[in-house]
Amino acid sequence: GAVVSQHPSRVICKSGTSVKIECRSLDFQATTMFWYRQFPKQSLMLMATSNEGSKATYEQGVEKDKFLINHASLTLSTLTVTSAHPEDSSFYICSARVLAVETQYFGPGTRLLVL
Amino acid sequence: AQSVSQHNHHVILSEAASLELGCNYSYGGTVNLFWYVQYPGQHLQLLLKYFSGDPLVKGIKGFEAEFIKSKFSFNLRKPSVQWSDTAEYFCAVKAGGATNKLIFGTGTLLAVQP
Repeated sequence: GAVVSQHPSRVICKSGTSVKIECRSLDFQATTMFWYRQFPKQSLMLMATSNEGSKATYEQGVEKDKFLINHASLTLSTLTVTSAHPEDSSFYICSARVLAVETQYFGPGTRLLVL
Repeated sequence: AQSVSQHNHHVILSEAASLELGCNYSYGGTVNLFWYVQYPGQHLQLLLKYFSGDPLVKGIKGFEAEFIKSKFSFNLRKPSVQWSDTAEYFCAVKAGGATNKLIFGTGTLLAVQP
C-alpha cells in the first residue's frame, strides 16, 4: 500500500516552455501532498505543500508564479514549471501524506532538464 | 529554524560490518523522527520512524534507531550490513503539532563492499 507515482519520470524541454509534472497517490487518498526539489549531492528541499481544494503553501524563496501547484482531487497534485530556464533543471520529488500514520510516502521523482 | 545534520556524507563498509549513521537535529519541542532510504534508481522508502514511547525503534530490513532526547540525536544502526544495503540514507524531522513539514538531512551515501 501507500504507493505514489509521478509522471513523467524525465523530461527535456527548451528554455521558455512550461512543463507539467503529475503526482498521484495510487491506493489511498491524500489531502496533503508535498513537492520537493533535490540538487545533486544535496538533500531534499521542500518547495511547497499542496492541499486538496485550496491554495498551496510555498516555502520562503520559492516563486509561486513560477511553480504552479494544483491539487484538484484527493489523488492528484500537479506542479507546473512555467517558462522554464536551465537553472530550473533538477530532480523534482513529490510525496503524499497518509494522515492515519502521519507519514509521507514518496514518488520516484521527475528529472527535468531545460536546454 | 529547524535543521538536521548528518555527519557522515559517505561511508564505505565491508559486508558483515556494523553500521551506525549519525543524525542530530535542532528543535527544542516535540519531534517526530524518520529515516528514509533511497536505493540506486529507486524512490525514497521509509525505514523507520519514532513518534513517542520506546526510544529504540526497529524498522525494516534489520535496521533500528535510538532517540536520545538529551543529545537531540536519532542515530541509525544495523549490526551486520549486506551488499544490498548500498543506498543513500536520509534522516528527517517533523516538528510536533500542526505542521506537516519534513526537514531532511543532507543524506549519507553507504557503499557496502562484498
